[in-house]
Amino acid sequence: AQSVTQLGSHVSVSEGALVLLRCNYSSSVPPYLFWYVQYPNQGLQLLLKYTTGATLVKGINGFEAEFKKSETSFHLTKPSAHMSDAAEYFCAVSDGYSTLTFGKGTMLLVSP
Amino acid sequence: DADVTQTPRNRITKTGKRIMLECSQTKGHDRMYWYRQDPGLGLRLIYYSFDVKDINKGEISDGYSVSRQAQAKFSLSLESAIPNQTALYFCATSETGTGTNEQFFGPGTRLTVL
Repeated sequence: AQSVTQLGSHVSVSEGALVLLRCNYSSSVPPYLFWYVQYPNQGLQLLLKYTTGATLVKGINGFEAEFKKSETSFHLTKPSAHMSDAAEYFCAVSDGYSTLTFGKGTMLLVSP
Repeated sequence: DADVTQTPRNRITKTGKRIMLECSQTKGHDRMYWYRQDPGLGLRLIYYSFDVKDINKGEISDGYSVSRQAQAKFSLSLESAIPNQTALYFCATSETGTGTNEQFFGPGTRLTVL
């Protein structure tokens, strides 16, 4: 069985500040990990993914995430928040075969 | 561009009515999924299909049924809609053999059951 925990249903930052969204996972097999973003009234868009190899993964719009096996974490970061980053972010884990399991999401709020 | 489309985008219906939500894709993917999204609960899997002859229940299939009419089409039905089925519904696709199960999502259907 696999599961995802996203710490914090809402995270507020000021424009220009560091963004840190936390994700911890549980998986019985080596996981594949994803971050998706959902802008208002839109579907989910892939931000980045970890499959194998380099543990620091770079995605679109300046986001990156680091896979830490010892901590079972895959936290999402961005050095400097922009107003356009305001959205809901979902972490997901896959065993590579059957289905994706999603976290409950974190709403990122960016203030001027 | 290869895409995942959902119809309708918005639907308001009454309790007891039968509703069908449709999903089409031009990505050529063999796997298709239906999820519902509720505030604070994330996305929960309703049904999924790995090919035309394969249908599997997800974690919350009660009250729903699906039909895979072709590789590119996967519809979700609510036989007798009830208010707690009010939610945002997403269709997604993926391709066997990628090894990761990365999924691609449609724009969603917002369903309101009165």
